Amino acid sequence: IAGITQAPTSQILAAGRRMTLRCTQDMRHNAMYWYRQDLGLGLRLIHYSNTAGTTGKGEVPDGYSVSRANTDDFPLTLASAVPSQTSVYFCASSERTGHLEQFFGPGTRLTVL
Amino acid sequence: RKEVEQDPGPFNVPEGATVAFNCTYSNSASQSFFWYRQDCRKEPKLLMSVYSSGNEDGRFTAQLNRASQYISLLIRDSKLSDSATYLCVVNRDDKIIFGKGTRLHILP
Repeated sequence: IAGITQAPTSQILAAGRRMTLRCTQDMRHNAMYWYRQDLGLGLRLIHYSNTAGTTGKGEVPDGYSVSRANTDDFPLTLASAVPSQTSVYFCASSERTGHLEQFFGPGTRLTVL
Repeated sequence: RKEVEQDPGPFNVPEGATVAFNCTYSNSASQSFFWYRQDCRKEPKLLMSVYSSGNEDGRFTAQLNRASQYISLLIRDSKLSDSATYLCVVNRDDKIIFGKGTRLHILP
């Protein structure tokens, strides 16, 4: 693989179910991010990780958790999905936190019914 | 006031025309600036960084006005393929803030 990948591409989920969105990058980037994008609200940061082993909360972290066990993977978990979590989720990475270009994955379209 | 603001558009522009749009930011401590492009149902991709002295990449020119706290993007000789949403991105203290984007439609 080259770049950053996400899985699944899309998912329909019943409310109350647990769901993990996967994100993997092969660029050896230190920083990784999860965003959600909703019409009229733009991209909003959910969680981020500056380096493997560390994570931080973004603008809209409630209802989501992340882990960063290694450099390449940054999964996002919805412990008990709710309809308001219906969105397009983008994972991104950058060499390090801050001034540099962020590379985005292709996104996961999640619908919670 | 939102930290990064953009006119959502849409800007409907005939092919071959020049179009420009701005993005304002509220925090004077903002340190670096970027324009990203996002096609419909795709991920955002970096279009260009914005340097203090202004910079040009082919038909695209980006400028920064620190005194008035805005950045601009100018597209000359617009092409149908320029139709997209353009996101303004501001970095402050390692915090990346995305604008909501300006939609551009190039009309044949």
